[in-house]
Order: sequence, then structure tokens, then C-alpha cells
Amino acid sequence: GQNIDQPTEMTATEGAIVQINCTYQTSGFNGLFWYQQHAGEAPTFLSYNVLDGLEEKGRFSSFLSRSKGYSYLLLKELQMKDSASYLCAVMDSNYQLIWGAGTKLIIKP
Amino acid sequence: NAGVTQTPKFRVLKTGQSMTLLCAQDMNHEYMYWYRQDPGMGLRLIHYSVGEGTTAKGEVPDGYNVSRLKKQNFLLGLESAAPSQTSVYFCASSTPRQGEIGELFFGEGSRLTVL
Repeated sequence: GQNIDQPTEMTATEGAIVQINCTYQTSGFNGLFWYQQHAGEAPTFLSYNVLDGLEEKGRFSSFLSRSKGYSYLLLKELQMKDSASYLCAVMDSNYQLIWGAGTKLIIKP
Repeated sequence: NAGVTQTPKFRVLKTGQSMTLLCAQDMNHEYMYWYRQDPGMGLRLIHYSVGEGTTAKGEVPDGYNVSRLKKQNFLLGLESAAPSQTSVYFCASSTPRQGEIGELFFGEGSRLTVL
């Protein structure tokens, strides 16, 4: 079966760096997405990786290793507003998105 | 530019009642989706549409029906609601860009409780 694994919850300190990991086993691969979802709100797009390597967007970076079935989202200079759930999703060979359950990130002052 | 709009935002139903959730997008997107989100689980696709007049089943279609009569609207119907359909429902839309797969734009969600 298809599976996306990410930690349920993580805690970090304001101003620090945190890395959220995502491992996947899917039928084919057509890209990996990261979304941010604040409590009670809709998910919003953060990043898309289809080739191996690091994509940087301001304070957020996303890394992909297709051979290892692994990605991470790196958040730098953490701010209180970064407290949210981070969703990893993989597009399989049928162009269907398979979603992880999300990682709840708690930022402490 | 409203993006993706869902109505209603909240609804309480009794078992066996029917209802329709409406999703409207003003971005001229081709693809539209209905997901449900439950605690501890990833988003699960109910039904989707790749264009006006077309619909297809997703991962969890049982108990739901959909229609896409107009490109901008995607309706999700529950014919006979069950407590297992208590969930938060998200509509999303996307359109493929040249050489890339377009990201999803989500509505604000509709919280449905079935008693």
C-alpha cells in the first residue's frame, strides 16, 4: 500500500531551526508537496519538489531524495506564527495526491 | 479575488438527512476536489473533477455524490447522512501549469456534524 510517514508533533523555540521529516512509499512519484495548516484554517501551499536537492524560499527550505523516499522541511528563524501543522503529500504515478497525517509544530517563546 | 469559497461553513445534521455543500472558485481552474479531514489522518479524497461535466471517484466516495455542471462550481451531496460522515470537508482547485503540476488552492472548510 501507499504510505506517508511524518512525526505527529514537534516542539521548538522561537528563533531556532527545526527540521520536519517525511518518508514515503508510493506507487510511482510525480512530486512532493509541503503545505502549512493553521488550526481551524485551510492548508496553504509551501513548496514543491520533483528533483533531488534543496529548494529554498526565504525562511523555509524543502529537500528531496527520491532514492531514499525522503523529504524534509526546514524552518529557520522560527516565529510564533509558524505554529501550525505541516502536511507532506506525494503525487503518485496516477497523479493522485497521497497525504501524510501532518506534523503539529509548537513554538515556545 | 475570493479564490475558493465553500458554503455552508458549519452544519449539524441528524442521521438520515440530506444536504449539499457548495464550492465555488473564481480562478478559472480546471480541476476541483472534495476532501475530508479527520483527526490523526491525512486528507482523504472523496471525489474530483478534471473539467466541467466530468467527475471521478477518489479514495472514499461511498455515501457521497458530486456534480460539476459549471466550471466554477463543484457540489458535494450527502443523500443520507451518517455519524461516520462527521468531519471537516475541504474543497480545492488547481490547474496544471506548463511543465509543472499546479498546487492546490483550498477553501476555508465546512465543519459537518451528524448526530
